Amino acid sequence: NAGVMQNPRHLVRRRGQEARLRCSPMKGHSHVYWYRQLPEEGLKFMVYLQKENIIDESGMPKERFSAEFPKEGPSILRIQQVVRGDSAAYFCASSRSGGNLNTEAFFGQGTRLTVV
Amino acid sequence: SQQGEEDPQALSIQEGENATMNCSYKTSINNLQWYRQNSGRGLVHLILIRSNEREKHSGRLRVTLDTSKKSSSLLITASRAADTASYFCATDEEKLTFGTGTRLTIIP
Repeated sequence: NAGVMQNPRHLVRRRGQEARLRCSPMKGHSHVYWYRQLPEEGLKFMVYLQKENIIDESGMPKERFSAEFPKEGPSILRIQQVVRGDSAAYFCASSRSGGNLNTEAFFGQGTRLTVV
Repeated sequence: SQQGEEDPQALSIQEGENATMNCSYKTSINNLQWYRQNSGRGLVHLILIRSNEREKHSGRLRVTLDTSKKSSSLLITASRAADTASYFCATDEEKLTFGTGTRLTIIP
């Protein structure tokens, strides 16, 4: 049973381009979380999704950022027209259940986005 | 808003000593979890403690929970160099919210 898979591990984009980050949850997990982490800082919640539904996107900027978790395929975090301030590590986590969690969340290794 | 907040922000101790980190939170919880993050890697789940539990052990880890004070502590006994990492607590809000972490450095 593979863990949470994120790709790419490293992504370099020029200002104004689009960044697309993928997250494949663990088998049997239908809840996905995305977080952003700046160097030497904690994880900042961005969005929580279940299959085909966005449950909570309160941590995601209203503009340029979007997320989806389709019925088939990985969850995608999309950042349009990237700016230097978007440079960070983006982590995805999945869990079997959500809400009042009684189970642990499993994290991917992250995608490090660098905007040049 | 940030739910769990870890204290101290950074901690350096000699190998073999015990390390204690604290977490405070604001609202009622059903459970609280501790995670570890090695530099540049994803988080790894360490232990989950439910609101009706006061203490839980896992190997060299001991977690306590005081719901009246809305706080939890993580104790690592007989620390090793490999314990060097950042440690985060997370509460069971809908969205699994983390604090800013405690950066633990074990000095060989």
